[in-house]
Amino acid sequence: AQRVTQPEKLLSVFKGAPVELKCNYSYSGSPELFWYVQYSRQRLQLLLRHISRESIKGFTADLNKGETSFHLKKPFAQEEDSAMYYCALNTNAGKSTFGDGTTLTVKP
Amino acid sequence: DGGITQSPKYLFRKEGQNVTLSCEQNLNHDAMYWYRQDPGQGLRLIYYSQIVNDFQKGDIAEGYSVSREKKESFPLTVTSAQKNPTAFYLCASTSGFSTDTQYFGPGTRLTVL
Repeated sequence: AQRVTQPEKLLSVFKGAPVELKCNYSYSGSPELFWYVQYSRQRLQLLLRHISRESIKGFTADLNKGETSFHLKKPFAQEEDSAMYYCALNTNAGKSTFGDGTTLTVKP
Repeated sequence: DGGITQSPKYLFRKEGQNVTLSCEQNLNHDAMYWYRQDPGQGLRLIYYSQIVNDFQKGDIAEGYSVSREKKESFPLTVTSAQKNPTAFYLCASTSGFSTDTQYFGPGTRLTVL
């Protein structure tokens, strides 16, 4: 069975500081990994997915199969980045597993 | 914010009653999902369906049932067998490939009185 672990429930940084949200997974097959974000009073939405290898709103995430990790990083956090972040894993069979989420607060 | 809708936004039910939550999408997506979100526990998969007339149990299916008679609709019934049904329920859809993004509805908050 697959599993996604986000070790930090809460993360607080100052504006302009680097931020890293951790995500570790366990899955015997080849995973598809995603980061979703939920801003206050908005729907849960995609931030980025590993297959696209793109940077969205300054965030990047690299899949490290050796360490089974997919950490989300941003070099300079902004106040508007404050939100709830979820790491998710999809299998080829269509099943989706989410981590428990990390609440990021960026202080001015 | 069209595309995927859930109704009602808030739902109250007495213990022992079944209740059905609606989820509709007009994105022409093949796959649909139901999640339960509890404080501090993230999203837990209840049921998912990759195609019409077929669905699979997720991680916490006990006390829930679904149907997928139409591509655009995936209703969730919370039965009286569900021990702790008070929660926030999210529906999502995707085109069906494992690499594809899930699009989420606004959610339904169910409270059992």
